[in-house]
Amino acid sequence: SQQGEEDPQALSIQEGENATMNCSYKTSINNLQWYRQNSGRGLVHLILIRSNEREKHSGRLRVTLDTSKKSSSLLITASRAADTASYFCATDATGANSKLTFGKGITLSVRP
Amino acid sequence: DSGVTQTPKHLITATGQRVTLRCSPRSGDLSVYWYQQSLDQGLQFLIQYYNGEERAKGNILERFSAQQFPDLHSELNLSSLELGDSALYFCASSVGARQNIQYFGAGTRLSVL
Repeated sequence: SQQGEEDPQALSIQEGENATMNCSYKTSINNLQWYRQNSGRGLVHLILIRSNEREKHSGRLRVTLDTSKKSSSLLITASRAADTASYFCATDATGANSKLTFGKGITLSVRP
Repeated sequence: DSGVTQTPKHLITATGQRVTLRCSPRSGDLSVYWYQQSLDQGLQFLIQYYNGEERAKGNILERFSAQQFPDLHSELNLSSLELGDSALYFCASSVGARQNIQYFGAGTRLSVL
């Protein structure tokens, strides 16, 4: 099964509202990353949070990490129509041969 | 622009055929990763190469193979193609061997008819 699982699967909001997306994972991690994918395009890295960090900001993005609950959230404030995309969390699990494991993604639609 | 170049952008072929997808990583990146993205399976990690050597393996079928050349570009070979191999194939690159921030190419859309 996927290491990272996002919730909800789809989210539709009005422009200007905040969007909150959640990710849960199963094993210990070194870091957790969020990526964005516009339809049919490659993924774009948004933000990385390390296992010893609890919160990180980047522009309108805020990411939190709770290692005790094995969960992370991505908050996009004051959303714009251009934020419409799929969002993926990816985990770098601890271990010698770990790989970055992506969840199935959340489809965010921001209505103008 | 991520700096990762993938060719071709689109590929249409028939079942049973063999194709090669090419990837040039960002300048300075030593790791190359291949992913398959389909509607039902999501984004699946296939394989990673670091400085010419295979580093990590994911859900890569035996019909698929990859390599990384001395100039660090990589090729993904898909053979005996089946309808179910139709998908978007992404290449990504990163600086180091660990799975840090990855930079993705625009992908190759493969259609097997």
